[in-house]
This record gives sequence, structure tokens and C-alpha cells, in this order.
Amino acid sequence: GESVGLHLPTLSVQEGDNSIINCAYSNSASDYFIWYKQESGKGPQFIIDIRSNMDKRQGQRVTVLLNKTVKHLSLQIAATQPGDSAVYFCAEKGSNDYKLSFGAGTTVTVRA
Amino acid sequence: DTEVTQTPKHLVMGMTNKKSLKCEQHMGHRAMYWYKQKAKKPPELMFVYSYEKLSINESVPSRFSPECPNSSLLNLHLHALQPEDSALYLCASSHPGVNTEAFFGQGTRLTVV
Repeated sequence: GESVGLHLPTLSVQEGDNSIINCAYSNSASDYFIWYKQESGKGPQFIIDIRSNMDKRQGQRVTVLLNKTVKHLSLQIAATQPGDSAVYFCAEKGSNDYKLSFGAGTTVTVRA
Repeated sequence: DTEVTQTPKHLVMGMTNKKSLKCEQHMGHRAMYWYKQKAKKPPELMFVYSYEKLSINESVPSRFSPECPNSSLLNLHLHALQPEDSALYLCASSHPGVNTEAFFGQGTRLTVV
């Protein structure tokens, strides 16, 4: 599968391989994290979330990992499909406010 | 119903025009948001309403004026915009509180000419 240790703006992955998208966050007080998928011409779509008291959460074909020590979040997509081609954003929320802040985003392109 | 509906989908306006963007949700969410997104950039928070009151204004210029007439509706009034204000404007809503995801609309693609 494809993986990167640091955040990269683009990721090209072969169909059927696993993808790993990374995100570094800056606010150590952030309590809640979300991964969004944004397809061209559409609004961000919720994929999966994780609270700060967890380090791993699994969904359907997706897994989110949280490492609070180094303030790092990752999204793993199993058996990547053409429909997974999109921009993926991580977002974080603080402990006492409604402010949802987005990371830079990673454009994932799936090769047939 | 898990939709956030934004109208219009596209808007072209001159720098002297006044226009409004509209957002509606029927999920019972009491927090609503306006974000601005430039091409190939992440969404940037502009305003947050909580229980119909403005709770966050991210130092947005006064030519953008938000309004929350009731718990289901959110408007963004536009006046004397600049070409650099051209962007995708996204509305979102969530339950109030920390550990709640925000649901986004499809956005209004705004072009200022």
C-alpha cells in the first residue's frame, strides 16, 4: 500500500492498494477530530471521527489513528477504489468551542 | 433528513450589487457555520451561530453580514464585494457541543466581477 510519514498535498495510489493519509495538528487542546472527503464541486462529506480519549477507530474500509504525543492523525483506506479519488481534509475542534479548523488537505488520485 | 441545502448553487455579482446566500437544515442542529473556500485550499471559518446567536466572527470584513432568522435558516448578506471574494461559500450545521460532526452543504460558487 501507499503510505507517507508526513503530510503530502497529493497521493497517487493503485486501485486495490491501501492508502494512508497523514495530518499534523497544532492545537494540543483539540479534543475531537474528523476526516472529511471533498469531491470536485461538492461540499465536504463526513468520513469518520475520533475523540481525544481514543487512539484508533474503525469504520467501513477506513481507520483513523490518533497519536496525541506527536499531534498526528492518519486515515487509512483499505482496498482503494476509483470512487475514493477526492481531496481529504482532517479537521479539529477545541474543547470548549464550536470552531472546526481544517488542515491543508491531500488530493488522492486512484490509478486503474 | 441529513441534508444542508444551500441556494443558489452559483452566483455572479458585480461589485456594487447586494445579494444573499441562503442555507437551510432540518436536522434540529442549533449550531450553524459559514465557511469560505478558495480553490485548492481548505475551508476557512467565517462565522458560527449557536442557538441563533453569533458566537464566532473570525474577523470577517463587514461587507459580509450573517443572519440567523431561526434555528433552521442561515443567511449571508453580501454587499460591495471585491473580486478576491470570489470563492466557494459553504454552510454547515451541527449539534452544539464539542464531539459532534458538522454536516456541510454543497456550497455556493460565488464570482465577483
